[in-house]
Amino acid sequence: AQSVTQLGSHVSVSEGALVLLRCNYSSSVPPYLFWYVQYPNQGLQLLLKYTSAATLVKGINGFEAEFKKSETSFHLTKPSAHMSDAAEYFCAVSDLGNYQLIWGAGTKLIIKP
Amino acid sequence: SQTIHQWPATLVQPVGSPLSLECTVEGTSNPNLYWYRQAAGRGLQLLFYSVGIGQISSEVPQNLSASRPQDRQFILSSKKLLLSDSGFYLCAWSEGVVYSPLHFGNGTRLTVT
Repeated sequence: AQSVTQLGSHVSVSEGALVLLRCNYSSSVPPYLFWYVQYPNQGLQLLLKYTSAATLVKGINGFEAEFKKSETSFHLTKPSAHMSDAAEYFCAVSDLGNYQLIWGAGTKLIIKP
Repeated sequence: SQTIHQWPATLVQPVGSPLSLECTVEGTSNPNLYWYRQAAGRGLQLLFYSVGIGQISSEVPQNLSASRPQDRQFILSSKKLLLSDSGFYLCAWSEGVVYSPLHFGNGTRLTVT
């Protein structure tokens, strides 16, 4: 069965610093991968998705993620953190058998002024 | 463009009372529909999903049920709420392909007292 691991339930960075949120997956075939963001008391919003095209995927709000098959990783980055980036971020992989997404546990991003 | 509506936004119900949460999607036809729950510290839990009218798959045994009376309407119900049913309930839709991302509603915060 596929699984998704997000390293770090909380990540704290200073405003203007690099944001790096880690996601590793287990899959025997090339997966479809997604990053979502959730602001407090709101639904999840798609940040970006990887569907076997370019390995570097650009998303909304200046975020990007790189698919590395050899490392089974899909880490999310942003060069310069902004206070508005404070939210919870979820990585997910598509279960090819039944339309479901396998979710990571989420990482709360804290931005220090 | 497609939109998803979910209501109510917040709900406080006593133990043993019934529940009905409704979700509708506009601007698309024959979507896959999902109900998720977020309980404190427990991440995203898939409760039900549907690939068509009257077709409901349950992922977690519990006192909740789901129905899809129309193509773009998805209802989550309970006959008698338990304290453990408290949480943040999210409705989502996707197109019927494995790489299609989920699109979420704004959620319902349910507190069972």
